[in-house]
Amino acid sequence: DQQVKQNSPSLSVQEGRISILNCDYTNSMFDYFLWYKKYPAEGPTFLISISSIKDKNEDGRFTVFLNKSAKHLSLHIVPSQPGDSAVYFCAASSRGGTSYGKLTFGQGTILTVHP
Amino acid sequence: DGGITQSPKYLFRKEGQNVTLSCEQNLNHDAMYWYRQDPGQGLRLIYYSQIVNDFQKGDIAEGYSVSREKKESFPLTVTSAQKNPTAFYLCASKGFGAGAREKLFFGSGTQLSVL
Repeated sequence: DQQVKQNSPSLSVQEGRISILNCDYTNSMFDYFLWYKKYPAEGPTFLISISSIKDKNEDGRFTVFLNKSAKHLSLHIVPSQPGDSAVYFCAASSRGGTSYGKLTFGQGTILTVHP
Repeated sequence: DGGITQSPKYLFRKEGQNVTLSCEQNLNHDAMYWYRQDPGQGLRLIYYSQIVNDFQKGDIAEGYSVSREKKESFPLTVTSAQKNPTAFYLCASKGFGAGAREKLFFGSGTQLSVL
């Protein structure tokens, strides 16, 4: 059962435009969400996160939006740059119980930014 | 520089052979994790350890074993019981504290292939 889903395997965007990456989740116990960026043959690096008590978090060109009622979050990159081309993973976690400290990842979305 | 070191970068396994993947961190983090990445899938948790001499099974622990004798080290053994070991393996660590929640730091990974 895929609890975190990224339904778009790939996204292609022109440099300078906005990139929007989407993520859906099914587990209502998730209360913390993260985005990771990964280049080929490297480990993922943390990008931005959001707690369920917020609906938006911004860090420079990156903004994450959370819609709890729809169990949906999105990552906006404005403006997109060629160096943003990578795989982006959405991840979620919940406090307490046996799942504390564990992350559940989506399948990833390959972002390609064309010059 | 602090970080997580995984070795080797590439590893080949013969039929019936056990192989061990190394993971060392000098971030003074208490928690360490092993994830597996397959093409088109998200990262899946194999094992994790919150403290020395203690570890827990993740979602896909069958065919794997770990040890946590030192805080800095969390080796993963892929046993002959793991019938589909070809994958990219990622080790991660995490500190504790209000600012550390689920912000995993990843190593650069080990690509394991079967001969």
